Amino acid sequence: GENVEQHPSTLSVQEGDSAVIKCTYSDSASNYFPWYKQELGKRPQLIIDIRSNVGEKKDQRIAVTLNKTAKHFSLHITETQPEDSAVYFCAAPLYNNNDMRFGAGTRLTVKP
Amino acid sequence: EAGVTQSPTHLIKTRGQQATLRCSPISGHTSVYWYQQALGLGLQFLLWYDEGEERNRGNFPPRFSGRQFPNYSSELNVNALELEDSALYLCASSLGQGRGEQFFGPGTRLTVL
Repeated sequence: GENVEQHPSTLSVQEGDSAVIKCTYSDSASNYFPWYKQELGKRPQLIIDIRSNVGEKKDQRIAVTLNKTAKHFSLHITETQPEDSAVYFCAAPLYNNNDMRFGAGTRLTVKP
Repeated sequence: EAGVTQSPTHLIKTRGQQATLRCSPISGHTSVYWYQQALGLGLQFLLWYDEGEERNRGNFPPRFSGRQFPNYSSELNVNALELEDSALYLCASSLGQGRGEQFFGPGTRLTVL
């Protein structure tokens, strides 16, 4: 996306390890940051999101952290499983939450 | 509640032809977004419609256009098709009103020969 940078582009981990994907954004007024998972041949699906009034949000094995000062947010997956293998996209608002831009995606491979 | 639907699932055209892709949003959603995804890569923003109006467009030539109907469904039209237009075209809808969450349809796979 034009205002969202996502790293790394590919990530390979062993089953049970943790995976971290990081995104940076440019608009300091941004206040909503979702993460999407796209499995092979399927549509992107929202897996977790965070709003700027909190610094961290967890949902079982996944968590998102937000650093508004540094303008970056990260997806953390713990105890990875082969079914976590997918492409993950972050997104951030361009002008407002109705107008989102997506990062370039991270292809995560979890090796059994 | 039905999700976002798109038609057709697959579309094969030849260079120079025109393609029309359709999207029906989730009931109650007023915003519709179109994205191009080539070769399983990133989601390139194409167009955003809300309440029948085009609100923003991405860095695509004018031969990519669309519209939103009074029932909030949307069409994406691609004129003068080029080989590099071959991609998965994804539609998403949202409630708008600053909530942010977008829900994606299954996509239309466009192949230009």
